[in-house]
Amino acid sequence: EPEVTQTPSHQVTQMGQEVILRCVPISNHLYFYWYRQILGQKVEFLVSFYNNEISEKSEIFDDQFSVERPDGSNFTLKIRSTKLEDSAMYFCASMTGQVDQPQHFGDGTRLSIL
Amino acid sequence: GESVGLHLPTLSVQEGDNSIINCAYSNSASDYFIWYKQESGKGPQFIIDIRSNMDKRQGQRVTVLLNKTVKHLSLQIAATQPGDSAVYFCAEINNAGNMLTFGGGTRLMVKP
Repeated sequence: EPEVTQTPSHQVTQMGQEVILRCVPISNHLYFYWYRQILGQKVEFLVSFYNNEISEKSEIFDDQFSVERPDGSNFTLKIRSTKLEDSAMYFCASMTGQVDQPQHFGDGTRLSIL
Repeated sequence: GESVGLHLPTLSVQEGDNSIINCAYSNSASDYFIWYKQESGKGPQFIIDIRSNMDKRQGQRVTVLLNKTVKHLSLQIAATQPGDSAVYFCAEINNAGNMLTFGGGTRLMVKP
């Protein structure tokens, strides 16, 4: 069964450094998402992406965050200058785009900021 | 997914019993709901979904009930197995269909 894959599984970065989290969505999916789950909290929406542009973003997704689909398969989340509070699990998800279809999630990248 | 340390409601059931996990949602305009299962170290895994024009939907060993009057969802798991042990989240989709809002989650523990 096709699945969303994320790399790396764990990323350790010094505060202030840039980090790029990578995702390969399911191949025929058209909508892409990033969510995060801070330890001890619930899964939170960050951003949705369709047709090479952001379609919605939350207040968490500030100017330090950006997303990109650099080629036909990858979908990336960049955090420009990481802060301690960016430490979390980051999940990528994708969806076909048909009405009432679920989003399918990857297994996440654990981001640890030191 | 990382749920260690998350202060979650916990449901503990005996293997073979039925489980019922409840969820209250917030947006009365939401018209599509999903239940996800999250095992330790994994991302949310789709279980079952339901549209707001339905009040019940059945899958394999799982049933979702929707009560729009009180904005309540439940997930019923029949003949619960040890492999069902996980954190379960309900999620609602926003009106534009591009953003999931997750509930706080319930940890299901199955005793052999």
